[in-house]
Amino acid sequence: QSALTQPPSASGSPGQSVTISCTGTSSDVGGYKYVSWYQQHPGKAPKLLIYEVSKRPSGVPDRFSGSKSGNTASLTVSGLQAEDEADYYCSSYAGSNVLFGGGTKLTVL
Amino acid sequence: EVQLVESGGGLVKPGGSLRLSCAASGFTFNTYGMNWVRQAPGKGLEWVSSISITNMYIHYADSVKGRFTISRDNAKNSLSLQMNSLRAEDTAVYYCARDLSSSGGNGMDVWGQGTTVTVSS
Repeated sequence: QSALTQPPSASGSPGQSVTISCTGTSSDVGGYKYVSWYQQHPGKAPKLLIYEVSKRPSGVPDRFSGSKSGNTASLTVSGLQAEDEADYYCSSYAGSNVLFGGGTKLTVL
Repeated sequence: EVQLVESGGGLVKPGGSLRLSCAASGFTFNTYGMNWVRQAPGKGLEWVSSISITNMYIHYADSVKGRFTISRDNAKNSLSLQMNSLRAEDTAVYYCARDLSSSGGNGMDVWGQGTTVTVSS
């Protein structure tokens, strides 16, 4: 049960776009449509941003989008805003368990 | 209002036991799979366990298998996590989270505020 691989940090200026990758294997990310992304601000519970690779829950701005190619999933944040500064985690179903990525700290410059 | 409220965290000695509870409200509890997810201090999220609506599918992370037991009481809208043989590395904030699917394994769309478990002598 190895964690999914995310870059530890990412950054961008307000208004720009940034993409965070999440790399797994054919046994998790590449094998299922159940890839999710979460946003977590310091001291708060995680918030679901994306589920089933590219679907957005009600209330999540369309600035957040998800995709997948092979064993790598991606989260793109467009039109960066100051409040987007947070930790981002991907997760994937892996047959009989759920894996999380190590997290990416997004800094808005 | 859809809500999950965890309780039962605290300080426990290595080798000890603790039982966490999660009270659900504002939604039809018996139609959703449920999860426990933890976060060690300064670390990332770690999935701990999931349970389907009828207890048919129950899964654990390797790190807790054989020590932790997840259960649910649909009549009381509650989820529990019995934690035995606790270790220092189990120290974390434990979150209860609702799954988008009935069996677990999909995204987690509702989270509690978390309860803190500290394992230390």
